[in-house]
Amino acid sequence: DAGVIQSPRHEVTEMGQEVTLRCKPISGHDYLFWYRQTMMRGLELLIYFNNNVPIDDSGMPEDRFSAKMPNASFSTLKIQPSEPRDSAVYFCASRGSGNTIYFGEGSWLTVV
Amino acid sequence: AQTVTQSQPEMSVQEAETVTLSCTYDTSESDYYLFWYKQPPSRQMILVIRQEAYKQQNATENRFSVNFQEAAKSFSLKISDSQLGDAAMYFCALGRGQGAQKLVFGQGTRLTINP
Repeated sequence: DAGVIQSPRHEVTEMGQEVTLRCKPISGHDYLFWYRQTMMRGLELLIYFNNNVPIDDSGMPEDRFSAKMPNASFSTLKIQPSEPRDSAVYFCASRGSGNTIYFGEGSWLTVV
Repeated sequence: AQTVTQSQPEMSVQEAETVTLSCTYDTSESDYYLFWYKQPPSRQMILVIRQEAYKQQNATENRFSVNFQEAAKSFSLKISDSQLGDAAMYFCALGRGQGAQKLVFGQGTRLTINP
């Protein structure tokens, strides 16, 4: 079975530009998570969905960040406008009926 | 508050030897899960092993085993017969909430394997 698929793997963008990160969870999984990893703050949960509905977005840093899950097989994390401090690795993860969360390979974002 | 602490920023071990990575946690919940994830240089997060708090028996996955001490809130990872491919960052994580929806991670331990 395919794992969690994220795109793009790497993105370099200029400050002020819009960034969209994409995620396809494992088929049949009903939970989807967005995490961010930085040197300073480690791994942080940004938001998670259950059955396509956002459950907890308390980790979203500010209004520049938004996430959507229009269907069970696709989610986006958008940053508009982007800032250099948004540079990080963004992970999408999903969980099914078990209690283990599986991660994608991450999207490396650099904002210059 | 839920917290996870890994007190060893770096560890090293000789190939084929055994190494133990430490993790302590704090939670007020009775239903939780504990995980160890491995992050190689590719940055992918790979599940190594998991433990349900209600199970007293320590989890084992091939060369990887845990020592779960609930009273002490300790969850260490033992890697036996270390291999060069085990070199990575290792993160301890606490899964809280029903079905462990939210993971809280420790700071990580960088493991080096010396040939």
